[in-house]
Amino acid sequence: GESVGLHLPTLSVQEGDNSIINCAYSNSASDYFIWYKQESGKGPQFIIDIRSNMDKRQGQRVTVLLNKTVKHLSLQIAATQPGDSAVYFCAENGGSNYKLTFGKGTLLTVNP
Amino acid sequence: DADVTQTPRNRITKTGKRIMLECSQTKGHDRMYWYRQDPGLGLRLIYYSFDVKDINKGEISDGYSVSRQAQAKFSLSLESAIPNQTALYFCATSDIYQGGRGTSGRVALDEQFFGPGTRLTVL
Repeated sequence: GESVGLHLPTLSVQEGDNSIINCAYSNSASDYFIWYKQESGKGPQFIIDIRSNMDKRQGQRVTVLLNKTVKHLSLQIAATQPGDSAVYFCAENGGSNYKLTFGKGTLLTVNP
Repeated sequence: DADVTQTPRNRITKTGKRIMLECSQTKGHDRMYWYRQDPGLGLRLIYYSFDVKDINKGEISDGYSVSRQAQAKFSLSLESAIPNQTALYFCATSDIYQGGRGTSGRVALDEQFFGPGTRLTVL
């Protein structure tokens, strides 16, 4: 998994499997979290966000889970596809209304 | 995202040169940001601007300056480039959270939309 502040981990999955990417955050004041996807040569692209008054949010094939007790965030991707191969970043706002602190990212590789 | 554009996309320059990276957006957002991305370090905030008259330093502003020429334009300058400024630079924009105020009662942060990036190499 990923921690906002550690080395870039990698995750390799088979096409069709579900993927889970983890993120540990350290600032208990954070009340807003985002997951971004960054494909090679492109800018980060928003996937899904969650505010601290929720513990789960679902999008299309993606689910974000927030556990404030242990300061843990996860991104679940259902039926992973080759096009999901990218670096995934979590970001937290540290309680601010202007600044996001980004993790170093997790490289997801989907094998056909 | 085509709504946020950056020029140039790639630039190679020499130590000591002045470089300007430009960002334009058609999203109508008031907030704009400049980040740099280095391998293994994620994205770090250089400067941000809430409107044309508001400029703020981020966590790594030394060696950089910015100009918010209009709501839609936010440029980043390196007055005298040095090799450790070699990185990928991203511009981003955001709006105010339309759902109202956050859990603490203040205006809440919303998602940021990123440009395609500028790869800068300083020799």
